[in-house]
Amino acid sequence: QEQLVESGGGVVQPGRSLRLSCAASGFTFTDHAMHWVRQASGKGVEWVAVISADGYRTYYADFAQGRFTISRDNSKNRVYLSMDNLRVDDTAVYSCAIDVGVGATIGLPDYWGQGTLVAVSS
Amino acid sequence: IQMTQSPSSLSASVGDRVTITCRTSHDIGSDLGWYQQKPGKAPKRLIYSASTLQSGVPSRFSGSGSGTEFTLTISNLQPDDFATYYCLQHNGYPQTFGPGTRVEIK
Repeated sequence: QEQLVESGGGVVQPGRSLRLSCAASGFTFTDHAMHWVRQASGKGVEWVAVISADGYRTYYADFAQGRFTISRDNSKNRVYLSMDNLRVDDTAVYSCAIDVGVGATIGLPDYWGQGTLVAVSS
Repeated sequence: IQMTQSPSSLSASVGDRVTITCRTSHDIGSDLGWYQQKPGKAPKRLIYSASTLQSGVPSRFSGSGSGTEFTLTISNLQPDDFATYYCLQHNGYPQTFGPGTRVEIK
């Protein structure tokens, strides 16, 4: 059974940085691209970024480009989201998700974790 | 790629047939999925490739469409179906979700 456990969230001041981590288990991590998505309280879901299974390809939402970096460590079955220059409107629950595709294919998010809360406030 | 969903919310009764529409600003072929989200829970994928039902999802859910217009239909609405539904395009980057449609009990 797939399991994704996010950590690293917290309260941070505007302009500061934060690194989120997602520990994966229950599936062959190296076979799948991984996504980060977010959801502000009472708002819709936003796609944030994706990294290919081999870690060589990354893609970002416009709001994340240049500020956020997605990475992965296939030896540790972990995916990360480094966020710089955080803004108040980045406040949300951030979740990692397994891509439905296998191998080099990047598709859409399939199974999601429960997320970690990032609150940006002065 | 911009996404719109209509309606933004609807009220329906158990047993009703419900249709939700998702429109995209560019032709995305069939690269669209539908998700269901209940309060406090992570979204659950229902449909991929616009019309393929995810394994284990009840057959009262169906998807159709291609290009720029897509629909999610729930026939014979059940109490467990009251939730918010999102479409997601993955034809190009960034991937984008629709704003969501909340299905409420009448």
